[in-house]
Amino acid sequence: QSALTQPPSASGSPGQSVTISCTGTSSDIGAYNYVSWYQQHPGKAPKLMIYEVSKRPSGVPDRFSGSKSGNTASLTVSGLQAEDEADYYCSSYAGSNNVLFGGGTKLTVL
Amino acid sequence: EVQLVESGGGLVQPGGSLRLSCAASGFTFSRSGMNWVRQAPGKGLEWVSYTTGSSKNIYYADSVKGRFTISRDNAKNSLYLQMNSLRAEDTAVYYCARQYTSDWYYFDYWGQGTLVTVSS
Repeated sequence: QSALTQPPSASGSPGQSVTISCTGTSSDIGAYNYVSWYQQHPGKAPKLMIYEVSKRPSGVPDRFSGSKSGNTASLTVSGLQAEDEADYYCSSYAGSNNVLFGGGTKLTVL
Repeated sequence: EVQLVESGGGLVQPGGSLRLSCAASGFTFSRSGMNWVRQAPGKGLEWVSYTTGSSKNIYYADSVKGRFTISRDNAKNSLYLQMNSLRAEDTAVYYCARQYTSDWYYFDYWGQGTLVTVSS
């Protein structure tokens, strides 16, 4: 199975909103509501930001939201802040005890 | 405070073996499913393997099945990854990550990673 598809880059100015897409297939994103998103700053470990498509773990600001339509999941960051600049990875359960990640999107805060 | 500390990475020749360790603290290790996730230099994340708290259920990515073995020692609060028949494409930072909620495919706490380089 191939990795999920994400745009390599995204950008926005402080205070703006930006949406990052994650495209899979009917065997992964389209089949399950088990999509998650991770934030990774350079040289750091990933951090869970969204799970089960749209749920936020405790401590994650509500500026981060997730959604899904068909085979595509999306992460929206509202009210962009400088500290949101990072790489973002989507992930989905893909059946048969397998998990797929996306290739990552570098978010730049202009 | 939850802490995961990986060790055991290094330089190994193609075809060689390496054993990674992950020392856990700050939570009830025996009750937590654990994963290994890797990241090739400058690349995205790739899930590698998972084990339940009791080691009853173990899963592997197709790319490592038959070559890697995940295990754990709950008495030592430690997770392991035995890597055999290593290939250049196994070069990556390897992270251990804890299962979040009852669904094993979400990972809430991650270690800082240990670098494995497969090269002659």
